[in-house]
Amino acid sequence: DQQVKQNSPSLSVQEGRISILNCDYTNSMFDYFLWYKKYPAEGPTFLISISSIKDKNEDGRFTVFLNKSAKHLSLHIVPSQPGDSAVYFCAASAQTGTYKYIFGTGTRLKVLA
Amino acid sequence: ETGVTQSPTHLIKTRGQQVTLRCSSQSGHNTVSWYQQALGQGPQFIFQYYREEENGRGNFPPRFSGLQFPNYSSELNVNALELDDSALYLCASSYQETQYFGPGTRLLVL
Repeated sequence: DQQVKQNSPSLSVQEGRISILNCDYTNSMFDYFLWYKKYPAEGPTFLISISSIKDKNEDGRFTVFLNKSAKHLSLHIVPSQPGDSAVYFCAASAQTGTYKYIFGTGTRLKVLA
Repeated sequence: ETGVTQSPTHLIKTRGQQVTLRCSSQSGHNTVSWYQQALGQGPQFIFQYYREEENGRGNFPPRFSGLQFPNYSSELNVNALELDDSALYLCASSYQETQYFGPGTRLLVL
């Protein structure tokens, strides 16, 4: 049973445009959500997170939106840059601060120059 | 640079063998988690250690076991290897609400 789903395995975006990566979850007990970026031959790198008490969190070019009623979160990257090309994982936790995360299957983003 | 290192980077074993994977994190990172990432999947939580004690376990059988040492380095042991154990094994150490991943050990079971 996949509790965290990323239904788009891949996404291509032109440099300078917006990238929108989506994630759905099924467990209503999740209260903390994260996005990680992964380059080949490296471990995932933390990008941005959001607590369930918020609906938006921004960090520079990255914004995460949380829609609790729809059990949906999205990551917006504006403007997209070629260096953003990587696999993006969303992750969720039902126990904030415990670092026990459930990951989605990832979306491969390709930013075209 | 996350400061989390893992060894070895690659490993080939045969079915039924045992394997030990190692992880070294920075001083002060007192929580370490291990994940298994199969091809085309996201990382799956195996277990977590906090101050040398197991602190939660995912849906993995007992032949997956671990240790955390006083210097916060950690080991993942897998006994009686099966073909499906072929995957990238990631360790992650945690500090101030952020989890830092190592580059992983790629295990191939033949």
